[in-house]
Amino acid sequence: EDQVTQSPEALRLQEGESSSLNCSYTVSGLRGLFWYRQDPGKGPEFLFTLYSAGEEKEKERLKATLTKKESFLHITAPKPEDSATYLCAVHGSYNTDKLIFGTGTRLQVFP
Amino acid sequence: NAGVTQTPKFQVLKTGQSMTLQCAQDMNHEYMSWYRQDPGMGLRLIHYSVGAGITDQGEVPNGYNVSRSTTEDFPLRLLSAAPSQTSVYFCASSYDLNQPQHFGDGTRLSIL
Repeated sequence: EDQVTQSPEALRLQEGESSSLNCSYTVSGLRGLFWYRQDPGKGPEFLFTLYSAGEEKEKERLKATLTKKESFLHITAPKPEDSATYLCAVHGSYNTDKLIFGTGTRLQVFP
Repeated sequence: NAGVTQTPKFQVLKTGQSMTLQCAQDMNHEYMSWYRQDPGMGLRLIHYSVGAGITDQGEVPNGYNVSRSTTEDFPLRLLSAAPSQTSVYFCASSYDLNQPQHFGDGTRLSIL
């Protein structure tokens, strides 16, 4: 059965304090791993797609990496506007018509 | 380009009532899906469609019905509302699951 586990559940950072969010997955044949950002009262907003181990993608202060068992979302020198819930989802070869989402990491960045 | 539009944004129902949550997209996406989001449980797939005329069940389909008569629209029907269906509902669309999904801003549904 495909599974996605995100940690930590919640993270509080001081502005400028870099850290990483983890997404561990178990899937039969990874087709893609997706990172989304969700602000309160809004739908998830797409950030990155990673397709194979070793792949990395960057956008402003965010960098996503992928291994065969997990993905990390690295946040460098975060700002208060980076506060949001970050969701990870996987698309596997067994459940070809479905994405499996993790429960998310709620990030708060304080000035 | 409106993206994915969900209506209504908020709704309060009484137990046993029925209603339809609307979802429309203007990106000509084949794949559409409905999720519910509850605290501590993440996004759970209710129903999905890979194209007009084709629908299938997700993880939590009981109590919900869908149809896909056009590429643009994918309504979700609650047949007889129950308090356990109190949740935030999101509709999403994409060309296929290898591409990022675009989400609407959700419908917040309370059932008394």
